[in-house]
Amino acid sequence: KAGVTQTPRYLIKTRGQQVTLSCSPISGHRSVSWYQQTPGQGLQFLFEYFSETQRNKGNFPGRFSGRQFSNSRSEMNVSTLELGDSALYLCASSGSGGGVDTQYFGPGTRLTVL
Amino acid sequence: GEDVEQSLFLSVREGDSSVINCTYTDSSSTYLYWYKQEPGAGLQLLTYIFSNMDMKQDQRLTVLLNKKDKHLSLRIADTQTGDSAIYFCAGGISGGYNKLIFGAGTRLAVHP
Repeated sequence: KAGVTQTPRYLIKTRGQQVTLSCSPISGHRSVSWYQQTPGQGLQFLFEYFSETQRNKGNFPGRFSGRQFSNSRSEMNVSTLELGDSALYLCASSGSGGGVDTQYFGPGTRLTVL
Repeated sequence: GEDVEQSLFLSVREGDSSVINCTYTDSSSTYLYWYKQEPGAGLQLLTYIFSNMDMKQDQRLTVLLNKKDKHLSLRIADTQTGDSAIYFCAGGISGGYNKLIFGAGTRLAVHP
């Protein structure tokens, strides 16, 4: 079974631009979660989607948004990029319809904002 | 509130055992995980333990959970240079769906 895939792997943007990152979960998994990893703040939860619905959201500004498609693929969007948005963005998938399920992570997208 | 704490660095000799410690503040954490991250890579799930268990063993890995002290540890037996990485503990909360709270990570350095 293929693992979680994320595209692109690397991205360079300038302040003020917007960016869209994509995540394809493991086949059969319906939950996709997104995390931001920075040296200063560590790993922080952004949001989680299940069956195209956002079920949980972390403490991030509204510039960070996401969505999930009917095939469970997910995208996250960051608008009006700031230097502090430079980070590794990780997505994770699990099969869970409820409760907590084991999450499997993709390799991440490294975003650099100049 | 939700918080997970880990020591930041551990250095061990090849062949020795490594013990990485973690404490968590949220008593509602029902699932606790250990992930490994190598440079430039995502997170690799190593093992997990449910909060109603005290211990779990999986090949070279042993997880111990002390619920009273909210303390979690990961023991790696016969540590190899390939084990050099950052290790994260994370807590998941039943009803919190798939939100995980991560510690800051422990960098394990294995030297000959």
